[in-house]
Amino acid sequence: QVQLVESGGGVVQPGGSLRLSCAASGFSLRTFGMNWVRQAPGKGLEWVAFMRKDGSYEYYTDSVKGRFTISRDNSKNTIYLQMNSLGTADTAIYFCARPLEEDRIVPFDFWGQGTLVTVSS
Amino acid sequence: SNMLTQPPSVSVAPGQTASITCELNNIGSRSVHWYQRKPGQAPIVVVYDDIDRPSGIPERFSGSTSGNRATLTISRVEAGDEADYFCQLWDNSLYHVLFGGGTKLTVL
Repeated sequence: QVQLVESGGGVVQPGGSLRLSCAASGFSLRTFGMNWVRQAPGKGLEWVAFMRKDGSYEYYTDSVKGRFTISRDNSKNTIYLQMNSLGTADTAIYFCARPLEEDRIVPFDFWGQGTLVTVSS
Repeated sequence: SNMLTQPPSVSVAPGQTASITCELNNIGSRSVHWYQRKPGQAPIVVVYDDIDRPSGIPERFSGSTSGNRATLTISRVEAGDEADYFCQLWDNSLYHVLFGGGTKLTVL
């Protein structure tokens, strides 16, 4: 069955970097675009980024543009989120999420369990 | 503004109908999707593309849109429907995914 497993979260100082991974199983990433979503403590969900299935384009929420980069390795069935210049506002649980259908961005039908990123000195 | 606005909470007695709204200026032709999220669980889609239901979602869940407002209607509410519900859409002018802030449905 479809599974998404995030990893790479942890505690990092302001200004630091982290790379998150999302390993997919039960389907081929070659056929789906993928999203990253986050949820800060006590807040609602916030979409972070999307990358098309072939990597030909990507979109970001304004607050992470120029700092975060989404990428994918279809041969490893894994997507990544490189996060640089982290600030306290980036503290959140980060989820990867798959769209319901190929060639769509939303809605999401599968979510990972999330990985916690804490930015703190 | 590019915020999706939802009421923070809605309460309803079992067997009654719950309506949860999602508003956005110029929601226009954008398709709205609705999720149910229970504590400790991943969200599940209950309505997508304004009115469609994924397989396995009861007919009690329905969606509609009018002007700048989308509405999730849950008929004959059951105790098991108690959850957070949030709306979502793809804004094809901003190239962003937008989420509503979520509505906590309480079954009295």
